[in-house]
Amino acid sequence: NAGVMQNPRHLVRRRGQEARLRCSPMKGHSHVYWYRQLPEEGLKFMVYLQKENIIDESGMPKERFSAEFPKEGPSILRIQQVVRGDSAAYFCASSPGWDRAYEQYFGPGTRLTVT
Amino acid sequence: SQQGEEDPQALSIQEGENATMNCSYKTSINNLQWYRQNSGRGLVHLILIRSNEREKHSGRLRVTLDTSKKSSSLLITASRAADTASYFCATGPRGGGSNYKLTFGKGTLLTVNP
Repeated sequence: NAGVMQNPRHLVRRRGQEARLRCSPMKGHSHVYWYRQLPEEGLKFMVYLQKENIIDESGMPKERFSAEFPKEGPSILRIQQVVRGDSAAYFCASSPGWDRAYEQYFGPGTRLTVT
Repeated sequence: SQQGEEDPQALSIQEGENATMNCSYKTSINNLQWYRQNSGRGLVHLILIRSNEREKHSGRLRVTLDTSKKSSSLLITASRAADTASYFCATGPRGGGSNYKLTFGKGTLLTVNP
């Protein structure tokens, strides 16, 4: 039973480019969460998605950031026109359902470096 | 103010010794979880303790929860070099239907010297 998959593991982008981060949840999980970890910080909640629905995006920056979880395929976190401050590790987690939404299993993360 | 702050920030011990890390939080919680993160890697879920539980064991791990003091501790007994990692506590809020919104502290960096 594969765990949460994220790719790429490392991503380097120049300022102004777009970054697309992908996440495939654990088998049987339909709830996906994205978190961001700045250097020497804890993880900060960004967004909660179910298939074709954004449930809570209260942690997402107002501009340049968007997330989706289509009916088919992985969840995507998209950052447009990246800036140096976007450099961080982005983690995806998944959970089995509403009643266990706190029981989150994390992927290995994507480390984004903006040059 | 930050929910879920670990203490100490860093801890260095010898193999075989016990390691104790603490976590304090500020608001009412539904549960508290501990995670481990090896350098440059993802988070591994260690243990979950619910707000109505006081102590929980899993292998060499022992977690306590004191809701009156809003604090939790993680004890790793008979530590090994492979336990070297950062340890985070994460709290899930009580009520409001947002128990998915985990709040993490900055973590305790544990170094176990061979």
